[in-house]
Amino acid sequence: QSVLSQSPSASGTPGQRVTISCSGSTSNIGSNTVHWYQQLPGTAPKLLIYSNDQRPSGVPDRFSGSKSGTSASLAISGLQSDDEADYYCAAWDDSLSYVFGTGTKVTVL
Amino acid sequence: QLQLQESGSGLVKPSQTLSLTCAVSGASIGSGAFSWSWMRQPPGKGLEWIGFLYQGGSTYINPSLKSRVTMSVDRSKNHFSLNLSSVTAADTAVYFCARDEGYNYSPFNIWGQGTLVTVSS
Repeated sequence: QSVLSQSPSASGTPGQRVTISCSGSTSNIGSNTVHWYQQLPGTAPKLLIYSNDQRPSGVPDRFSGSKSGTSASLAISGLQSDDEADYYCAAWDDSLSYVFGTGTKVTVL
Repeated sequence: QLQLQESGSGLVKPSQTLSLTCAVSGASIGSGAFSWSWMRQPPGKGLEWIGFLYQGGSTYINPSLKSRVTMSVDRSKNHFSLNLSSVTAADTAVYFCARDEGYNYSPFNIWGQGTLVTVSS
């Protein structure tokens, strides 16, 4: 069961900017940093953002993250066809559980 | 380069125990302060964290699964394992193993490819 809430879908045309939101609580997002994962069809999730706004090596700077209070956002600028995927936010909870968002499917029109 | 590979029973009967192993290659499971986790994803649904363990054997399990989950590590074989008892159709999912970055509250940057487990008679 997912503890973090995300809108089910988002879409845009190539080159546009898309924003995905993630809502949690004081025990998870409010207390700890947010991570974002990208899951292409039929593959394992890939870490996209950690510590709210940091990109692992190799992740394009078109992807950016932010956090405010108990909510977080992932923005994809310059949308490309291979950005079409499911995106999940996640965070550690103070109960020492790792909680995922419900997931957002991004479609490139 | 660190790689993880899940293996185990792909078909399990209801009420039986699901058993999976995650083989670690490219590094020793006993080195560093990493935690080793299991996640799962029912077909067409979102991700769920099952639990993690440290190389010393201490475990932290999702409270919703705690009564049915056992996790263990075998440093001699460089792998760690998951047992989920009393399975039902709701446990049908792709199961992933993953490793974190080795610090408190770190994300999971290394994932296995996943293995589908179907619960059916």
